[in-house]
Amino acid sequence: RKEVEQDPGPFNVPEGATVAFNCTYSNSASQSFFWYRQDCRKEPKLLMSVYSSGNEDGRFTAQLNRASQYISLLIRDSKLSDSATYLCVVTVNNAGNMLTFGGGTRLMVKP
Amino acid sequence: NAGVMQNPRHLVRRRGQEARLRCSPMKGHSHVYWYRQLPEEGLKFMVYLQKENIIDESGMPKERFSAEFPKEGPSILRIQQVVRGDSAAYFCASSVQRGLEQFFGPGTRLTVL
Repeated sequence: RKEVEQDPGPFNVPEGATVAFNCTYSNSASQSFFWYRQDCRKEPKLLMSVYSSGNEDGRFTAQLNRASQYISLLIRDSKLSDSATYLCVVTVNNAGNMLTFGGGTRLMVKP
Repeated sequence: NAGVMQNPRHLVRRRGQEARLRCSPMKGHSHVYWYRQLPEEGLKFMVYLQKENIIDESGMPKERFSAEFPKEGPSILRIQQVVRGDSAAYFCASSVQRGLEQFFGPGTRLTVL
């Protein structure tokens, strides 16, 4: 079983749509949670951190359910520029604090 | 404040040659991480270094791969006797402290012929 699992998609949605991505992680010792965005052939960029209380940044809302080991990202009012791969990322509080990435979910927003 | 810099951006090697990938962290950052992204796959952690020290190399292949982060100069990821399966994008990230946000460089795309 992969440490971080995501539906690879692609999710094809029209502009203005609301789209939700889900992610599950296997290590119950995971401490920190993030969503990153990666454009084609570019580096990953931090979209937002995810907190147990849930958090919102403009059109983006992230939720964490520790009991179910489940993370979600909701994008409202999709824009063409939201087209990218969204990476679910967790860390375990060990000496390395390395990021463990899911395989990514590809989003394509169409006019 | 320049971001994380990596060079070269593209590197072509023949099987059996050596590849040297360089990463200069953001100014003030002393923590460097290397990740590899194989075609159509997610990023996988390779190694975590601080100045002159390897902190965690649990993601490094046992042979042919090495990394260093000297007191002066960039971090280097070295791959000896490259094989076709080494073809991938290699990303470096840096952070100011362990556990804080990691900022990624643009990556080096290695192609082994």
